[in-house]
Amino acid sequence: AQSVTQLDSHVSVSEGTPVLLRCNYSSSYSPSLFWYVQHPNKGLQLLLKYTSAATLVKGINGFEAEFKKSETSFHLTKPSAHMSDAAEYFCVVSDHTGGFKTIFGAGTRLFVKA
Amino acid sequence: DARVTQTPRHKVTEMGQEVTMRCQPILGHNTVFWYRQTMMQGLELLAYFRNRAPLDDSGMPKDRFSAEMPDATLATLKIQPSEPRDSAVYFCASGLGTGFLVEQFFGPGTRLTVL
Repeated sequence: AQSVTQLDSHVSVSEGTPVLLRCNYSSSYSPSLFWYVQHPNKGLQLLLKYTSAATLVKGINGFEAEFKKSETSFHLTKPSAHMSDAAEYFCVVSDHTGGFKTIFGAGTRLFVKA
Repeated sequence: DARVTQTPRHKVTEMGQEVTMRCQPILGHNTVFWYRQTMMQGLELLAYFRNRAPLDDSGMPKDRFSAEMPDATLATLKIQPSEPRDSAVYFCASGLGTGFLVEQFFGPGTRLTVL
């Protein structure tokens, strides 16, 4: 069975410092992995996706994530946080287990301090 | 700038009433998803369609919820009768692709409150 665990419900960083949002997954098959961002009272927007090509994936707004199969992780990083990055971030795993299944993590709320 | 639209954006209704939420996917997208988001449960996939055919609605309470795609430009999610526990934000998303390699574009959501 597939699952996704976001290890931190809240992360707080200062503007200009690095961001690390952690995600671990389990999947019976080679999964596709995504990160989405949700700003307050908005829908979700795709940041980046991994689909078995390069293990280091670059997304929008300076975010990137590295797929590490041995660690079953797909952590999201950004070298320097901006105030506009404050939002909720969701890690998502999709595979063909029992038909198409997509599972969202519980989300990590990122706070950025001035 | 193509985007998914959802109507209504907000709905307040009384328990027992029928609620219909509508979604217009991005033109040309062949896959449509319905999600529900609550503080307690997070984001839950309710149903999804490919080429207008329902492929998986196992996340949806069958006794009161129904999802349809009357045509390629309209997806509906209906709750009848509604209950207070249905209060949530309902998101529609659309995408283009096959299998699970679908990048999903989300609508702004419908915030439903059932009193």
